[in-house]
Amino acid sequence: ELKVEQNPLFLSMQEGKNYTIYCNYSTTSDRLYWYRQDPGKSLESLFVLLSNGAVKQEGRLMASLDTKARLSTLHITAAVHDLSATYFCAVGTGTASKLTFGTGTRLQVTL
Amino acid sequence: NAGVTQTPKFRVLKTGQSMTLLCAQDMNHEYMYWYRQDPGMGLRLIHYSVGEGTTAKGEVPDGYNVSRLKKQNFLLGLESAAPSQTSVYFCASSTTSGSSYEQYFGPGTRLTVT
Repeated sequence: ELKVEQNPLFLSMQEGKNYTIYCNYSTTSDRLYWYRQDPGKSLESLFVLLSNGAVKQEGRLMASLDTKARLSTLHITAAVHDLSATYFCAVGTGTASKLTFGTGTRLQVTL
Repeated sequence: NAGVTQTPKFRVLKTGQSMTLLCAQDMNHEYMYWYRQDPGMGLRLIHYSVGEGTTAKGEVPDGYNVSRLKKQNFLLGLESAAPSQTSVYFCASSTTSGSSYEQYFGPGTRLTVT
């Protein structure tokens, strides 16, 4: 059974500082997705990582994938309040690319 | 394009009642999925479909049934609702073209079973 673990589960960030969220998974996959969810809202796709060594950046967020270590990271540079949300990683498996989600990391940015 | 839409947005049921949640997508996607999200947890896959007329079980299928009679619609049914089915339900769809299989999510249905 595929397990996807995120840490930390909660992250209180100071504005302007850098942080990293980790996503570990237990079986081989080369499809890793990052989503953002605001309270009471749906999921917004942030990144799709499809190969070992993949790195993608959008604004203050950068995601990377190491399929050999079964690890993805989401790096936040110079946090701002707008980044406060819950972030999920999800691993895709099988021909239908079924997603197994991590439990999420709630980010809170404070002044 | 409306993307993925879900009906209804909110619903309250009594234990033992039945209901159907409707998911519709206008992106001509082959794959469709139903997930549930419980407080403090990630989404868990209930059922999915790889095409019209086909469905398959996901991680937590018990107590739910699904149908995909038309490519654009994916229905999730609860025959006899239980309090344990209180959750937020999300539908998603994805294309089979390209290699990303990126899933696009609907706005969710908040279901409370009393």
